[in-house]
Amino acid sequence: DIQMTQSPSSLSASVGDRVTITCRASQSVSSHLNWYRQKPGTAPKLLIFGASNSEDGVPPRFSGSGSGTDFTLTISGLQPEDFATYYCQQTYIAPYTFGQGTKVDIK
Amino acid sequence: EVRMVESGGGLVEPGGSLRLSCQTSGFGFSATWLTWVRQAPGQGLEWVGRIKTGGATDYADPVKGRFIISRDDSKNTIFLQMSSLKSEDTAVYHCTALSSSGRFIFDRYWGHGALVTVSS
Repeated sequence: DIQMTQSPSSLSASVGDRVTITCRASQSVSSHLNWYRQKPGTAPKLLIFGASNSEDGVPPRFSGSGSGTDFTLTISGLQPEDFATYYCQQTYIAPYTFGQGTKVDIK
Repeated sequence: EVRMVESGGGLVEPGGSLRLSCQTSGFGFSATWLTWVRQAPGQGLEWVGRIKTGGATDYADPVKGRFIISRDDSKNTIFLQMSSLKSEDTAVYHCTALSSSGRFIFDRYWGHGALVTVSS
């Protein structure tokens, strides 16, 4: 199975900050990498698919990059609703494994 | 509007069985791959398995041989039959519908989840 490792596991930031989360795959997943945001008590919401493609309706402050084994999610100008946990997921080969998550909280 | 509603969760003893259902609406169910994803209390997301159109399935190693995913296209419903349950299966179980764009697939639609607690 492909292992997905996110860093950092948690971070503290302020409204307006630029935040970067990385995700590394144990083997190449090409560009088959998705990002989700999960607020407490709710289901995850798709932000980015195919490493760099924004889901419809997702604000432009969210962007994704990378290919192969190394990927990045950037939030340019953190908003109050962005304090949440973020997950990467590979859909290159089943099982479609998730990273362990990155919790973004208020500094 | 897409709706995905899980049911059937509850408390079950170790070694027991439970069957979850996920009733869906608002999309072409019979043409869609579907998955189950779970989340243990305070933990991250864990992929459980998927069912393709036609019924072929894949499972994560921790549930292989114990869990079975099935679908009823006439009722737009997906099922998760869980047996030989262990305490580590305690989690909220979400059903998801996979969407695609070109060669990429992703979980666009999620249910709110059903809580399964395995405890004596």
